[in-house]
Amino acid sequence: NAGVMQNPRHLVRRRGQEARLRCSPMKGHSHVYWYRQLPEEGLKFMVYLQKENIIDESGMPKERFSAEFPKEGPSILRIQQVVRGDSAAYFCASSREGLAPYNEQFFGPGTRLTVL
Amino acid sequence: AQSVSQHNHHVILSEAASLELGCNYSYGGTVNLFWYVQYPGQHLQLLLKYFSGDPLVKGIKGFEAEFIKSKFSFNLRKPSVQWSDTAEYFCAVNDASGGYNKLIFGAGTRLAVHP
Repeated sequence: NAGVMQNPRHLVRRRGQEARLRCSPMKGHSHVYWYRQLPEEGLKFMVYLQKENIIDESGMPKERFSAEFPKEGPSILRIQQVVRGDSAAYFCASSREGLAPYNEQFFGPGTRLTVL
Repeated sequence: AQSVSQHNHHVILSEAASLELGCNYSYGGTVNLFWYVQYPGQHLQLLLKYFSGDPLVKGIKGFEAEFIKSKFSFNLRKPSVQWSDTAEYFCAVNDASGGYNKLIFGAGTRLAVHP
């Protein structure tokens, strides 16, 4: 029973390039959450998506960041024109249901983005 | 705004020592509280959670946590740690104001257990 998959595990980009991070939720899960962990900080919520819908993007920077969760395929977190401050670990989580509080979020291994 | 504070960023213990990791939160509503663990190179795993009822929660691998409402605390404990408990531990509170789970995490505590 595969867990949440994220790829790549490590991504190196130069300033100004684009970064695409992928997340495949657990089988049967239709809710995806993205979190970012800056060095020496805890995970910070970025965005919550259901299939083809963004439910809450209150934690996502207004510019350069976007997320999608298409009907088919993984969820994608896209960062355009990356800057050094985007260097972080990006975690994806999925849940079967969206209603609090009984749904549990299962986390992927994270993608560590390094911007040179 | 909700927040979670973990007071110890780094903890070093010898095997068989007792462990207590502090966690305090600020949130005005009904709280759901979690402890997650991240072993080196692995993904976050849920250790235990509190929703309601008995404030002493038992989790996996011998961990437990106590919810003390008056202190806004949810400290993690283990009577006797093992080398394999070396990991980073995150406390989190659930912001369910939107009707769904949005986890607010503390900064984490790195635990190193020496044989």
